[in-house]
Amino acid sequence: RKEVEQDPGPFNVPEGATVAFNCTYSNSASQSFFWYRQDCRKEPKLLMSVYSSGNEDGRFTAQLNRASQYISLLIRDSKLSDSATYLCAVRPISGGYQKVTFGTGTKLQVIP
Amino acid sequence: GAVVSQHPSWVICKSGTSVKIECRSLDFQATTMFWYRQFPKQSLMLMATSNEGSKATYEQGVEKDKFLINHASLTLSTLTVTSAHPEDSSFYICSAPPGGRLGGAFFGQGTRLTVV
Repeated sequence: RKEVEQDPGPFNVPEGATVAFNCTYSNSASQSFFWYRQDCRKEPKLLMSVYSSGNEDGRFTAQLNRASQYISLLIRDSKLSDSATYLCAVRPISGGYQKVTFGTGTKLQVIP
Repeated sequence: GAVVSQHPSWVICKSGTSVKIECRSLDFQATTMFWYRQFPKQSLMLMATSNEGSKATYEQGVEKDKFLINHASLTLSTLTVTSAHPEDSSFYICSAPPGGRLGGAFFGQGTRLTVV
């Protein structure tokens, strides 16, 4: 089983739609969780960290479910500019605590 | 915010030659940097952890003699792909943790390597 798994998509949604991505992780001792956005042929950029209580940043909401070992990202009122690949990332609590493991990414295409 | 600069952004080289990629932390000191490789439509795969003043730590399956890593200062790590082959063609990205256990990583712009 992969350490971090995501549905690769693509998710094709119309402008204004709400879309949600899930990501599961296998290491129950994982400490930190993140969502990154990666545009084609570019480096990933940190979108938001995911906190235990859930957190929101504008149209983006991140949730963590430790019991089921998954994190989610919800995007409301999708914009064309949201089209990108969204990577979830997990940092373990031990064994090189700064190392981050990435999922394969979920591709989002927002359609006019 | 923290900035990581990577150079070059793309390079084309002939089989058998070596290519050096630089990764610099511009406004902070990084005792640790990470080197990732990403093939098309695949995830970022960690290749190695670069440690300032000591040997790099390589992930399983990554040839340390082929991918030479040097972290000579607190702001610079280099990855040299030696005797490059076409199968080494990929997107190479470095990252550095800006500090703190819970902070996310900041990435360099990436280097697209094409070996012909």
